[in-house]
Amino acid sequence: AQKITQTQPGMFVQEKEAVTLDCTYDTSDQSYGLFWYKQPSSGEMIFLIYQGSYDEQNATEGRYSLNFQKARKSTNLVISASQLGDSAMYFCAMREVSGYSTLTFGKGTMLLVSP
Amino acid sequence: DSGVTQTPKHLITATGQRVTLRCSPRSGDLSVYWYQQSLDQGLQFLIQYYNGEERAKGNILERFSAQQFPDLHSELNLSSLELGDSALYFCASSEVGSFNTEAFFGQGTRLTVV
Repeated sequence: AQKITQTQPGMFVQEKEAVTLDCTYDTSDQSYGLFWYKQPSSGEMIFLIYQGSYDEQNATEGRYSLNFQKARKSTNLVISASQLGDSAMYFCAMREVSGYSTLTFGKGTMLLVSP
Repeated sequence: DSGVTQTPKHLITATGQRVTLRCSPRSGDLSVYWYQQSLDQGLQFLIQYYNGEERAKGNILERFSAQQFPDLHSELNLSSLELGDSALYFCASSEVGSFNTEAFFGQGTRLTVV
């Protein structure tokens, strides 16, 4: 079974609007971390935001926030006030204690922001 | 700038050849991870080192090997290269290998096998 599922291969959003990128995960660990990375066309992987399994509050980092629903095993990324520079591939990832804390990635969602 | 340095940025080589990819982790990071990104397989974990010791292995082929040196830099060796090995190879590092620390990625080495 896939550990990380991103069901949206591509998303379109207009500049200044908010967009939600979905991510569900599968783990039997109690301790795990959830991460989002951005990969622009230049190729580098940029860390955006982190949510720990024990965190009670949803993580926020500037225009990025997470809608973490532990019981549903989902951690959706919300980007507010989209900018043209947000156009990129977005990856959801997880680190589990049982997996030696290696990062397991989903297949990604391509976000295109239009003017 | 993530602080993780990978060299070279681009590499073009022929089938059957051997190449070495190099990674310098962020200062103070003990854990190094190698990933392969291809269009059909996505981001695949290859191998992890922690303070010089191999800690976890993923989908790493037997033709591939890696090591982490005492100064914590790491090398990924790819031998008997095939066309299908063409991919973007990332190195990432983190302070410790725990579930609640982010990993920072280098800019990747784009390997093209012709």
